[in-house]
Amino acid sequence: SQQGEEDPQALSIQEGENATMNCSYKTSINNLQWYRQNSGRGLVHLILIRSNEREKHSGRLRVTLDTSKKSSSLLITASRAADTASYFCATHTNQAGTALIFGKGTTLSVSS
Amino acid sequence: KAGVTQTPRYLIKTRGQQVTLSCSPISGHRSVSWYQQTPGQGLQFLFEYFSETQRNKGNFPGRFSGRQFSNSRSEMNVSTLELGDSALYLCASSLAEISTDTQYFGPGTRLTVL
Repeated sequence: SQQGEEDPQALSIQEGENATMNCSYKTSINNLQWYRQNSGRGLVHLILIRSNEREKHSGRLRVTLDTSKKSSSLLITASRAADTASYFCATHTNQAGTALIFGKGTTLSVSS
Repeated sequence: KAGVTQTPRYLIKTRGQQVTLSCSPISGHRSVSWYQQTPGQGLQFLFEYFSETQRNKGNFPGRFSGRQFSNSRSEMNVSTLELGDSALYLCASSLAEISTDTQYFGPGTRLTVL
Protein backbone atom coordinates (compact mmCIF):
# COMPACT_ATOMS: atom_id res chain seq x y z
CA SER A 1 0.00 0.00 0.00
CA GLN A 2 1.16 3.58 -0.61
CA GLN A 3 2.49 5.31 2.44
CA GLY A 4 3.25 8.61 0.74
CA GLU A 5 0.98 10.51 -1.60
CA GLU A 6 2.32 13.43 -3.60
CA ASP A 7 0.28 16.42 -4.60
CA PRO A 8 -0.19 17.65 -7.25
CA GLN A 9 0.17 14.71 -9.62
CA ALA A 10 1.38 17.06 -12.36
CA LEU A 11 2.75 20.58 -12.34
CA SER A 12 3.65 22.85 -15.28
CA ILE A 13 5.59 26.06 -14.76
CA GLN A 14 7.83 28.50 -16.59
CA GLU A 15 11.58 28.72 -16.12
CA GLY A 16 12.47 30.94 -13.21
CA GLU A 17 9.31 30.18 -11.26
CA ASN A 18 9.26 28.20 -8.04
CA ALA A 19 7.79 24.71 -7.87
CA THR A 20 6.21 23.28 -4.73
CA MET A 21 5.31 19.63 -4.29
CA ASN A 22 3.67 18.13 -1.27
CA CYS A 23 3.77 14.69 0.26
CA SER A 24 1.43 13.25 2.86
CA TYR A 25 1.96 9.98 4.69
CA LYS A 26 0.02 7.79 7.05
CA THR A 27 2.20 6.32 9.79
CA SER A 28 5.03 7.68 11.91
CA ILE A 29 8.40 7.76 10.18
CA ASN A 30 12.14 7.61 10.83
CA ASN A 31 12.91 9.79 7.86
CA LEU A 32 11.47 11.08 4.63
CA GLN A 33 13.42 11.31 1.41
CA TRP A 34 12.86 13.00 -1.93
CA TYR A 35 14.04 11.49 -5.20
CA ARG A 36 14.00 12.68 -8.80
CA GLN A 37 13.54 10.49 -11.85
CA ASN A 38 14.16 11.62 -15.38
CA SER A 39 12.02 9.89 -17.96
CA GLY A 40 12.32 6.13 -17.58
CA ARG A 41 15.66 6.23 -15.80
CA GLY A 42 16.89 5.44 -12.31
CA LEU A 43 16.10 7.60 -9.32
CA VAL A 44 18.45 10.23 -7.97
CA HIS A 45 18.46 11.02 -4.28
CA LEU A 46 17.81 14.70 -3.57
CA ILE A 47 17.48 15.16 0.14
CA LEU A 48 16.75 13.26 3.37
CA ILE A 49 15.03 14.81 6.35
CA ARG A 50 14.83 12.99 9.66
CA SER A 51 11.75 12.92 11.86
CA ASN A 52 13.31 15.31 14.37
CA GLU A 53 14.13 17.91 11.71
CA ARG A 54 11.74 20.54 10.41
CA GLU A 55 13.55 22.02 7.44
CA LYS A 56 16.57 21.27 5.24
CA HIS A 57 18.16 23.04 2.33
CA SER A 58 20.31 21.81 -0.51
CA GLY A 59 21.15 24.29 -3.23
CA ARG A 60 17.86 25.37 -4.82
CA LEU A 61 15.94 22.76 -2.85
CA ARG A 62 14.10 23.34 0.39
CA VAL A 63 12.31 20.55 2.21
CA THR A 64 10.02 20.94 5.19
CA LEU A 65 8.58 18.27 7.42
CA ASP A 66 5.56 18.57 9.67
CA THR A 67 5.23 15.34 11.63
CA SER A 68 2.06 16.54 13.39
CA LYS A 69 0.35 16.82 10.01
CA LYS A 70 2.28 13.89 8.53
CA SER A 71 3.29 15.96 5.57
CA SER A 72 6.34 17.27 3.77
CA SER A 73 6.93 19.75 0.99
CA LEU A 74 9.67 20.12 -1.58
CA LEU A 75 10.31 23.58 -2.95
CA ILE A 76 12.49 24.07 -6.03
CA THR A 77 13.39 27.71 -6.48
CA ALA A 78 14.20 29.40 -9.78
CA SER A 79 13.25 26.33 -11.80
CA ARG A 80 15.16 25.39 -14.93
CA ALA A 81 14.16 23.27 -17.91
CA ALA A 82 16.57 20.62 -16.60
CA ASP A 83 14.38 20.25 -13.51
CA THR A 84 11.73 18.61 -15.68
CA ALA A 85 11.30 15.18 -14.10
CA SER A 86 9.14 13.15 -11.76
CA TYR A 87 9.65 13.72 -8.06
CA PHE A 88 8.94 11.10 -5.44
CA CYS A 89 8.79 11.18 -1.70
CA ALA A 90 9.79 8.04 0.15
CA THR A 91 9.25 7.25 3.79
CA HIS A 92 10.88 4.87 6.17
CA THR A 93 8.55 3.93 9.00
CA ASN A 94 9.27 2.89 12.54
CA GLN A 95 8.00 -0.62 11.89
CA ALA A 96 10.69 -3.23 12.10
CA GLY A 97 11.61 -4.93 8.86
CA THR A 98 10.16 -2.28 6.60
CA ALA A 99 11.79 -0.67 3.62
CA LEU A 100 11.43 2.67 1.90
CA ILE A 101 7.90 3.19 0.62
CA PHE A 102 7.48 5.50 -2.33
CA GLY A 103 4.57 7.68 -3.33
CA LYS A 104 3.32 7.83 -6.90
CA GLY A 105 5.16 11.03 -7.66
CA THR A 106 4.64 14.50 -9.04
CA THR A 107 5.51 15.10 -12.69
CA LEU A 108 7.09 18.52 -13.08
CA SER A 109 7.36 20.18 -16.46
CA VAL A 110 9.42 23.36 -16.75
CA SER A 111 9.17 25.20 -20.03
CA SER A 112 11.54 27.84 -21.30
CA LYS B 1 33.39 5.36 -7.73
CA ALA B 2 31.29 3.62 -10.32
CA GLY B 3 27.57 3.79 -9.75
CA VAL B 4 25.09 0.98 -9.46
CA THR B 5 25.00 -1.08 -12.61
CA GLN B 6 22.18 -3.26 -13.83
CA THR B 7 22.19 -5.80 -16.61
CA PRO B 8 20.63 -6.23 -18.99
CA ARG B 9 19.11 -2.81 -19.62
CA TYR B 10 16.30 -4.17 -21.77
CA LEU B 11 14.65 -7.55 -21.99
CA ILE B 12 11.80 -8.97 -24.01
CA LYS B 13 10.31 -12.25 -22.88
CA THR B 14 7.14 -14.20 -23.51
CA ARG B 15 4.58 -15.39 -20.99
CA GLY B 16 5.64 -18.46 -19.07
CA GLN B 17 9.35 -17.85 -19.44
CA GLN B 18 11.65 -16.94 -16.60
CA VAL B 19 14.12 -14.11 -16.31
CA THR B 20 17.15 -13.22 -14.20
CA LEU B 21 18.21 -9.64 -13.62
CA SER B 22 21.56 -8.62 -12.21
CA CYS B 23 22.67 -5.72 -10.04
CA SER B 24 26.17 -4.64 -9.01
CA PRO B 25 26.14 -2.16 -6.11
CA ILE B 26 28.51 0.69 -5.53
CA SER B 27 31.83 -0.59 -4.24
CA GLY B 28 31.67 -0.92 -0.47
CA HIS B 29 27.87 -0.97 -0.30
CA ARG B 30 26.56 -4.16 1.26
CA SER B 31 22.84 -3.41 1.20
CA VAL B 32 20.88 -3.97 -2.01
CA SER B 33 17.18 -3.36 -2.57
CA TRP B 34 14.97 -4.11 -5.55
CA TYR B 35 11.90 -2.22 -6.72
CA GLN B 36 9.34 -2.71 -9.46
CA GLN B 37 7.99 0.37 -11.19
CA THR B 38 4.84 0.32 -13.29
CA PRO B 39 2.60 3.17 -14.46
CA GLY B 40 -0.35 1.79 -12.51
CA GLN B 41 1.23 0.75 -9.20
CA GLY B 42 4.21 3.09 -9.09
CA LEU B 43 7.35 2.05 -7.24
CA GLN B 44 6.87 -1.07 -5.19
CA PHE B 45 9.43 -2.68 -2.92
CA LEU B 46 10.47 -6.22 -3.80
CA PHE B 47 13.39 -7.29 -1.57
CA GLU B 48 16.22 -6.05 0.54
CA TYR B 49 19.49 -7.89 1.10
CA PHE B 50 22.40 -7.31 3.39
CA SER B 51 25.46 -9.56 3.61
CA GLU B 52 23.78 -12.31 1.58
CA THR B 53 20.71 -12.36 3.85
CA GLN B 54 17.26 -11.28 2.82
CA ARG B 55 16.28 -8.69 5.40
CA ASN B 56 12.93 -7.72 4.04
CA LYS B 57 10.45 -8.77 1.38
CA GLY B 58 7.62 -6.90 -0.25
CA ASN B 59 4.16 -8.18 -1.05
CA PHE B 60 4.92 -10.09 -4.23
CA PRO B 61 4.11 -13.69 -5.18
CA GLY B 62 6.66 -16.45 -4.77
CA ARG B 63 7.47 -16.26 -8.49
CA PHE B 64 9.70 -13.34 -7.53
CA SER B 65 12.89 -14.37 -5.81
CA GLY B 66 16.31 -12.96 -5.26
CA ARG B 67 19.69 -13.53 -3.77
CA GLN B 68 22.88 -11.73 -2.89
CA PHE B 69 26.39 -13.01 -3.34
CA SER B 70 29.43 -12.62 -1.12
CA ASN B 71 30.67 -9.72 -3.28
CA SER B 72 27.33 -7.94 -2.65
CA ARG B 73 26.15 -8.39 -6.22
CA SER B 74 22.52 -9.35 -6.36
CA GLU B 75 20.21 -11.11 -8.74
CA MET B 76 16.47 -11.33 -8.92
CA ASN B 77 14.53 -13.99 -10.73
CA VAL B 78 10.97 -14.00 -11.98
CA SER B 79 9.58 -17.35 -13.00
CA THR B 80 6.49 -18.11 -15.09
CA LEU B 81 6.30 -14.57 -16.42
CA GLU B 82 2.93 -12.86 -16.74
CA LEU B 83 1.99 -9.86 -18.85
CA GLY B 84 1.65 -7.82 -15.66
CA ASP B 85 5.31 -8.35 -14.87
CA SER B 86 6.22 -5.87 -17.60
CA ALA B 87 7.91 -3.08 -15.70
CA LEU B 88 11.07 -1.17 -14.96
CA TYR B 89 13.02 -3.08 -12.31
CA LEU B 90 15.26 -0.87 -10.24
CA CYS B 91 18.08 -1.88 -7.97
CA ALA B 92 19.47 0.38 -5.27
CA SER B 93 22.44 0.07 -2.97
CA SER B 94 23.07 1.66 0.36
CA LEU B 95 26.02 2.04 2.66
CA ALA B 96 23.85 1.58 5.72
CA GLU B 97 23.06 -1.85 7.08
CA ILE B 98 19.37 -1.12 6.73
CA SER B 99 17.82 0.85 3.93
CA THR B 100 16.89 3.85 6.02
CA ASP B 101 19.39 6.17 4.54
CA THR B 102 20.22 7.36 1.07
CA GLN B 103 19.76 4.77 -1.62
CA TYR B 104 21.68 4.94 -4.87
CA PHE B 105 19.73 3.66 -7.80
CA GLY B 106 20.87 1.97 -10.97
CA PRO B 107 19.40 2.84 -14.38
CA GLY B 108 16.99 -0.07 -14.25
CA THR B 109 16.12 -3.04 -16.42
CA ARG B 110 13.12 -2.56 -18.67
CA LEU B 111 11.31 -5.91 -18.91
CA THR B 112 8.62 -6.40 -21.53
CA VAL B 113 6.53 -9.57 -21.39
CA LEU B 114 4.66 -10.46 -24.58
